[in-house]
Formats: sequence, C-alpha cells, structure tokens
Amino acid sequence: KNEVEQSPQNLTAQEGEFITINCSYSVGISALHWLQQHPGGGIVSLFMLSSGKKKHGRLIATINIQEKHSSLHITASHPRDSAVYICATPPHNFGNEKLTFGTGTRLTIIP
Amino acid sequence: NAGVTQTPKFQVLKTGQSMTLQCAQDMNHNSMYWYRQDPGMGLRLIYYSASEGTTDKGEVPNGYNVSRLNKREFSLRLESAAPSQTSVYFCASSVPRLPTRVTGELFFGEGSRLTVL
Repeated sequence: KNEVEQSPQNLTAQEGEFITINCSYSVGISALHWLQQHPGGGIVSLFMLSSGKKKHGRLIATINIQEKHSSLHITASHPRDSAVYICATPPHNFGNEKLTFGTGTRLTIIP
Repeated sequence: NAGVTQTPKFQVLKTGQSMTLQCAQDMNHNSMYWYRQDPGMGLRLIYYSASEGTTDKGEVPNGYNVSRLNKREFSLRLESAAPSQTSVYFCASSVPRLPTRVTGELFFGEGSRLTVL
C-alpha cells in the first residue's frame, strides 16, 4: 500500500517569502498530483507530473522518482495563496482509481 | 464551461433517512469518482466509474450506492444514513491516458457538506 506523507502539516509565512511544501511516498508511481483547496471551497488541480519539473506562474513542482519525493514551491507568496495543498499519487501502472492522498499542508500567508 | 457540478452543497439528514448526491460534468470525461473528506484524513475514494456503464468500489464503499446514469452524470446514494457518514463529499472526473493508464488530471466539484444527526 502506498503511504503518502506531507510536511509540514501547517506553515505560516510572511507575504513575499519563498514557500516549500514536501511530499514523500513509499512505492513506485506513475505520476503525482498537486491539488489546492481554499477554505470552505472546492479542490483545484495545480500540477500532474511524472518526472522533472513543471512551472505555472509563481508555482513550481518538482519530483525525484529515485528518492520518492516531490516538492511544491511558491515564489513571492501572497495572502491569496493561503490554502491547503494536497499531494496524491497512484502506484505504478495504476490510474486515479488507486490514488492515495496526503492529509494536506495548511499554508497561511500573512500580509 | 461549468466543469463539475455537484448538488446539493449542504444537507442535514436524520439517521436512517436516504438521499442522493448528484454530479454532472460537461468535459466529456470517461472517468468519474466520488470521494469523502474527513478531518485529519486524506480524501478517500468511495466509488468510481471508469466509463459509462461501469462502476467499481473504492476504499470505503459500505453504506453507499452509485449510478452512472450516462457519460455526464454520476450519482451517489445513501440508502440509510448514519452519523459516520457525516463528511464533505467531492465528485471528480478525469480523462484516463490509455493504454498505459497513466493517471489523468482531476477536476473536482465544489463539494457537498452532509451532516447526519
């Protein structure tokens, strides 16, 4: 069974700081999702990656398949980035029906 | 483009009552999913439908039934609600990247908050 762990569980930072959220998993995987959930709101897909790095605006996601680890970085953080960030991954050769979700990292950006 | 639409957004039930959560997507996705989200736990899959006409159990299917009415709609039914089913429910859809079955990007609804008294 794939174990997915995120760190830190909670993170508070000042506006403008560089943010890193980590996700570790225990088995070989085919891809990894990063999701964002605003308080009381729905869930939005940020990235899906299987190797290397992806960038979208101020958000960067990286994955190291050998080390079974992924990071989500936010540059020049802003209060609107305050949300819960969730990583999820299926084992290798499986699809979304076998996703294991992390419990999330709650990020608070203070103006 | 509405994406994934869930109804209702909020519902309060008494133990033993039944209800159906509705989900519809307008992205022509084959795969649809129902998840529940509980405090301190990751999202857990209740049921999924890989394509129109098929449904399969996920991690926590007990107490639930589903219907894939057509390619757009996937409903979740609680036949006899229990307090343990108090949760936030999310519907999602994706396009599976066949034939390797590499996971496709997920699109979620806004969630349905259900309280069972």
